[in-house]
Amino acid sequence: ETGVTQSPTHLIKTRGQQVTLRCSSQSGHNTVSWYQQALGQGPQFIFQYYREEENGRGNFPPRFSGLQFPNYSSELNVNALELDDSALYLCASSSGGYSSRHTDTQYFGPGTRLTVL
Amino acid sequence: KQEVTQIPAALSVPEGENLVLNCSFTDSAIYNLQWFRQDPGKGLTSLLLIQSSQREQTSGRLNASLDKSSGRSTLYIAASQPGDSATYLCAVEYGNKLVFGAGTILRVKS
Repeated sequence: ETGVTQSPTHLIKTRGQQVTLRCSSQSGHNTVSWYQQALGQGPQFIFQYYREEENGRGNFPPRFSGLQFPNYSSELNVNALELDDSALYLCASSSGGYSSRHTDTQYFGPGTRLTVL
Repeated sequence: KQEVTQIPAALSVPEGENLVLNCSFTDSAIYNLQWFRQDPGKGLTSLLLIQSSQREQTSGRLNASLDKSSGRSTLYIAASQPGDSATYLCAVEYGNKLVFGAGTILRVKS
């Protein structure tokens, strides 16, 4: 059984650019959640995808968007990057989701470190 | 507003000490509460998960308790070791999202 994987590990972008981060969920999981962790803070919920549809969103602007694919892998896209977007982006996969309003235990990937200059 | 607070923000103890990390949450309508460990620059490792109907969970030297009515959880680490040095995060599940505290940075000195 493979765990949650994320790519790339590290990324450096400049203000105004766009970025795409990728996540492969754990085998058997149909739900992916994304979190942003700024330095010295706890992770903040961005959004969740269940069976290719957005299933809840945190307090993030529309320039943060996502996709989930039929194999349940997911992408996080951020447009018009700002300096404050510099953070560790964590992906978590789980089973359950929309139909139960609550997912089973979320398993986290190693994260992507994004630096915006 | 759903908020999670962790106290203390940082803790430094000599090896072998028993210690307690505290977590409080404002909204008691939780599904479960989870404690994570995070090493510098790394992802999250789940330590213990307590369902809302449970009072505590144990794994090895770790014991976590939950008092939903008072909005509190504690993580007890027995006989601390230098390898326990990390950031410990408390997360409360509300529906489909986890709300995290800012963490407690633990340093165990040898």
